[in-house]
Amino acid sequence: EPEVTQTPSHQVTQMGQEVILRCVPISNHLYFYWYRQILGQKVEFLVSFYNNEISEKSEIFDDQFSVERPDGSNFTLKIRSTKLEDSAMYFCASSERYEQYFGPGTRLTVT
Amino acid sequence: AQKITQTQPGMFVQEKEAVTLDCTYDTSDQSYGLFWYKQPSSGEMIFLIYQGSYDEQNATEGRYSLNFQKARKSANLVISASQLGDSAMYFCAMTSYNQGGKLIFGQGTELSVKP
Repeated sequence: EPEVTQTPSHQVTQMGQEVILRCVPISNHLYFYWYRQILGQKVEFLVSFYNNEISEKSEIFDDQFSVERPDGSNFTLKIRSTKLEDSAMYFCASSERYEQYFGPGTRLTVT
Repeated sequence: AQKITQTQPGMFVQEKEAVTLDCTYDTSDQSYGLFWYKQPSSGEMIFLIYQGSYDEQNATEGRYSLNFQKARKSANLVISASQLGDSAMYFCAMTSYNQGGKLIFGQGTELSVKP
């Protein structure tokens, strides 16, 4: 059964460093999303991506964040200068129509 | 603005019994979808079930069913014949199809299944 994959599973970085989180969505899906979940809290929407452009972004998704689909399979989230409060689980999701399927997540720890 | 409310932070159920997890939502949109996801302790988000606002029948997927009451704006998840592996956090979520498909999540309910 096709699934969304994410790498790395865990990333530790120092404050101020850039990180790139990678996702491979399900191959025939057209809509892509990033969400984050701070430990013990609910899942929060960051950004949605369709037809090679951002379709919607949340207030969390400020200028420090960017997304890219560099080729036909990968979908990346870049955080330019990480802050302590960026520590969270980051989930990529994709959908063909309504149901969004999530990847296993990347746990980002900023020290 | 859309909002999801899950009022049960934690629930216990005996193995093999049924359990209902509550979810109420608020939206002014007519076209929307409701979802339930399971998050085990390992952290992944597992899609369980989907209900569209125009669907007249309640959605079912195996042991999961969604009790959709549109007038009351509720979308409760019913798990029948609970198993130990059902112990997890359960999140209710919604999306408005007028707003690009982003999911808005509730705070979650932690379900513990007792042997």
